[in-house]
Parts: sequence; C-alpha cells; structure tokens
Amino acid sequence: SAVISQKPSRDICQRGTSLTIQCQVDSQVTMMFWYRQQPGQSLTLIATANQGSEATYESGFVIDKFPISRPNLTFSTLTVSNMSPEDSSIYLCSIERDLTGELFFGEGSRLTVL
Amino acid sequence: GENVEQHPSTLSVQEGDSAVIKCTYSDSASNYFPWYKQELGKRPQLIIDIRSNVGEKKDQRIAVTLNKTAKHFSLHITETQPEDSAVYFCAAAPGNQFYFGTGTSLTVIP
Repeated sequence: SAVISQKPSRDICQRGTSLTIQCQVDSQVTMMFWYRQQPGQSLTLIATANQGSEATYESGFVIDKFPISRPNLTFSTLTVSNMSPEDSSIYLCSIERDLTGELFFGEGSRLTVL
Repeated sequence: GENVEQHPSTLSVQEGDSAVIKCTYSDSASNYFPWYKQELGKRPQLIIDIRSNVGEKKDQRIAVTLNKTAKHFSLHITETQPEDSAVYFCAAAPGNQFYFGTGTSLTVIP
C-alpha cells in the first residue's frame, strides 16, 4: 500500500491563527481527500483535492475556511483558517488506490485550538 | 450526498462470542462498502470490503453481507478476541467519495 505522510502530526494553535497541514504520498494518485474527525466522532469528508483545479467541497465546508492546494499527483495541503476551539480535531489526508478504489488514510494531524 | 447510519454505537461481547454491526445507506448509486477499524490514537484501517455485485464476503473471522434492495450491509465478527476491541466504521461510496457511518465502539471482554 502507498505510504502517506502528514505533518504536522499535532499542534496547539491560538484562536484566530491559521495552520497548513501537508500530505505527501510516495506514489502518484489521482484521488486525494481531506477528512475531519472531531473527538469521539466519525470521519467527515471536507473536500476532494483535485490536481490542477479547485477542490470540491462537501456541504458545510467552504474554501475560505479550508483552502486546499493540490499542485501535483503526490502532494496536497489543507489550511484551517481563522481557527476557533471548534476546529480542534484530527484532520486526515486520504488517497484512493487507482487500481482497487480502496481508501487509505494518513496518520492524521491532531489540532488543538486554544 | 450519501447518508450512512450505523448501529449500535457501542457493543460489548464476551470473548469468543460473535459481534454484528449494521449500517444503512441512502444513495442507490453507492456500489462499494468498506469497513474500517480504528484503534485508539491510530488511523482507520481497512479490514474488509464488499462491492455491489456480491452479497457476501468472508475473510477468516470477519464477514460482510450486503442487501442492495434494502440498502443495508453488516459486519460479522466471529470468535471475538480482546484485540478486536476498537471503533469500527462502515462506509458507502456512490462514486469516488466515501461517506462514513457514526462508528461502533466494540469492547471484547476477556
């Protein structure tokens, strides 16, 4: 399976600041996604990161709050903007294997907003 | 988008007993149904999946069943062991996007 590296693995942030999470994959993949997992909750799809074009956001998520970049087929970033304590969560990068359609997750980035 | 419901939210079983987790989905376009296991502090890991052209799939102690007509699918774990204790998530994929259920916290009591 592909190796997915996310950083930072965790961070403590101040209210009103922004943080960018990076996701690096060791092979080219077509589909990359960003999920949020709030404490004790399920996995909620934020957006699909499209290579060379704007990300596709799910209902309830907007580009101004969660800008996403996908400059190539192995890398993506998610920025959490103007953070509030409600943004405290684990943010997970995921990829879909091109041949099987299986979804794999990175280790996640645990953000705590004070 | 797709709406996936999962029951029960918590489940406790004695070691050696079976555990069953059930999910329903809303989008008839969903054609792929994976199950993930998430241990505390770790990423979700795929444990088994089933596609819409199959009604049942088994892998050792784990099996999944799918009823497309009723739009529900289930995870069955037999001969449970303490290491099966984790949170389990079902998911449905109507296309490239995956939508997850709310999770089931399984505790296997030795």
